[in-house]
Amino acid sequence: AQTVTQSQPEMSVQEAETVTLSCTYDTSESNYYLFWYKQPPSRQMILVIRQEAYKQQNATENRFSVNFQKAAKSFSLKISDSQLGDTAMYFCAFSYNQGGKLIFGQGTELSVKP
Amino acid sequence: EADIYQTPRYLVIGTGKKITLECSQTMGHDKMYWYQQDPGMELHLIHYSYGVNSTEKGDLSSESTVSRIRTEHFPLTLESARPSHTSQYLCASSEYQGAKQYFGPGTRLTVT
Repeated sequence: AQTVTQSQPEMSVQEAETVTLSCTYDTSESNYYLFWYKQPPSRQMILVIRQEAYKQQNATENRFSVNFQKAAKSFSLKISDSQLGDTAMYFCAFSYNQGGKLIFGQGTELSVKP
Repeated sequence: EADIYQTPRYLVIGTGKKITLECSQTMGHDKMYWYQQDPGMELHLIHYSYGVNSTEKGDLSSESTVSRIRTEHFPLTLESARPSHTSQYLCASSEYQGAKQYFGPGTRLTVT
């Protein structure tokens, strides 16, 4: 069975600083996809970044980047120059070839402080 | 950003009532999903669909049922609501397997 683990229930960071959120996963699949989703308070879930497992290069999206370590089954998210609008629950998620359904981690609640 | 809609956004209903949560998307996506999320917790898949007339149960057992008669529409029905069904229900769609999933705003259901 596939599992996703986020070991940091809560984190906080000062505005303009950098923060890293951790995620590990367990799978026997060779071809899969990893995601970080953001869920702001009382707002819609949106995709932050997506990584295809067969690509060695780490995905980046503006201030967001990942450190994908396939052998270690680790997929951390780095947020640079944190902004107040980054305050949200962040979910790591995994998808493989069974219908594309997502398996989510427990979430990390990130607070960006002014 | 996402063209995926859910109604109602909030619903308070008594035990034993039948309810249908609506989900529609205008992107023409074949794949659609229903997730259940308790406050501050992770999402669990309860139903998914590969396309019209295709539905499958997800990893979390649910007493709800779904239908997919039209590509754009994926309603979820509870025949007899119970307090244990109190939760948030999120609908999502994607263009293909492994692609980004677009989420609706969710329906927050309370069963009294």
